[in-house]
Amino acid sequence: KNEVEQSPQNLTAQEGEFITINCSYSVGISALHWLQQHPGGGIVSLFMLSSGKKKHGRLIATINIQEKHSSLHITASHPRDSAVYICAVISQGAQKLVFGQGTRLTINP
Amino acid sequence: DTEVTQTPKHLVMGMTNKKSLKCEQHMGHRAMYWYKQKAKKPPELMFVYSYEKLSINESVPSRFSPECPNSSLLNLHLHALQPEDSALYLCASRRLLLNTEAFFGQGTRLTVV
Repeated sequence: KNEVEQSPQNLTAQEGEFITINCSYSVGISALHWLQQHPGGGIVSLFMLSSGKKKHGRLIATINIQEKHSSLHITASHPRDSAVYICAVISQGAQKLVFGQGTRLTINP
Repeated sequence: DTEVTQTPKHLVMGMTNKKSLKCEQHMGHRAMYWYKQKAKKPPELMFVYSYEKLSINESVPSRFSPECPNSSLLNLHLHALQPEDSALYLCASRRLLLNTEAFFGQGTRLTVV
């Protein structure tokens, strides 16, 4: 079992829909990243969370440390949101980022 | 400046060639990382440098040789690669404190022929 599990692995939705991507992890962490990667491209950090909730534009990220769970929400989704979204954790005391398998999101017009 | 710059963006090399990938950041980050990413897979950690010293080597074959000549620069020297080494190579950096954000470069798309 991976230390970081994401669901769903693939998600297709229509423009305007509310999107939720989930991330569960099994290790103690000091922080969690939500990352975005477009096809063939580099990785952009969307959020880094260690508690609570963060919002940036149409994106919202939440984390529940007790339940070892985080969610990424996209409101009013748009075709340009189509990308792979990756959850990555910084385990306590470690220097490494441990990555989930990613969620491939496709938003159709 | 919040960028991690990787060069070149694309590289095609033969199996007998020697080439180098370069990564640069000017954010004062003292942790720098090399990752390898195959298509439709998450990045896999290769190396971590902390304060310009190699701190993690994830059992990477010796045909990949990292170097950190100063706090802003990270190189990955390539020699006698195999076609299965073709991948996107990503560099990242972050401050060496808890709960600090990682910044990623755009990657070098490497093809070994």
